[in-house]
Amino acid sequence: KAGVTQTPRYLIKTRGQQVTLSCSPISGHRSVSWYQQTPGQGLQFLFEYFSETQRNKGNFPGRFSGRQFSNSRSEMNVSTLELGDSALYLCASSFNNEQFFGPGTRLTVL
Amino acid sequence: DQQVKQNSPSLSVQEGRISILNCDYTNSMFDYFLWYKKYPAEGPTFLISISSIKDKNEDGRFTVFLNKSAKHLSLHIVPSQPGDSAVYFCAAFAGGTSYGKLTFGQGTILTVHP
Repeated sequence: KAGVTQTPRYLIKTRGQQVTLSCSPISGHRSVSWYQQTPGQGLQFLFEYFSETQRNKGNFPGRFSGRQFSNSRSEMNVSTLELGDSALYLCASSFNNEQFFGPGTRLTVL
Repeated sequence: DQQVKQNSPSLSVQEGRISILNCDYTNSMFDYFLWYKKYPAEGPTFLISISSIKDKNEDGRFTVFLNKSAKHLSLHIVPSQPGDSAVYFCAAFAGGTSYGKLTFGQGTILTVHP
């Protein structure tokens, strides 16, 4: 099976812009979770989607949002970008309790 | 409030010896634990997991031990190889309504010297 794929791999944006990141889970996996990794905060949970519904959400401001499509592919959106949003954004698809991560999208906000 | 802690930021081991990485947790609702290996600018790679109903799980060179009363788990790598050099994260999952949410420790940098 193909692994989790994320696009784009790298992104540079300026403050105030918005960005959309995409994630395709492993075939057959219906749950997709998103995480933010920064040097200071480590890996932090953003939200989780299952069958196009957000079931869980972490402690991030409303500027961070997501959605899931009927084919389980997921997108996350960050609006009004801030410098502190610079991070590695990781998506994971899960089967039972085990999560398998994609390579991540490195977002740099200038 | 850090619910999963890896108190050793780094560990250095000689090739062929045992690597022991430790992790402590505070949340009694955690019932499933995972270990991941990560290289910079890449996603974490799943290594091994353990359910709270077990105290040990083995997979090749990797063994995870869980001590529920102490709220402590450890990952043993035997024998250690230079290719094992990476950042290791432990993560915990609470069943029930914690859908898709893993809580991660801060990571331990493992260096295996030839």
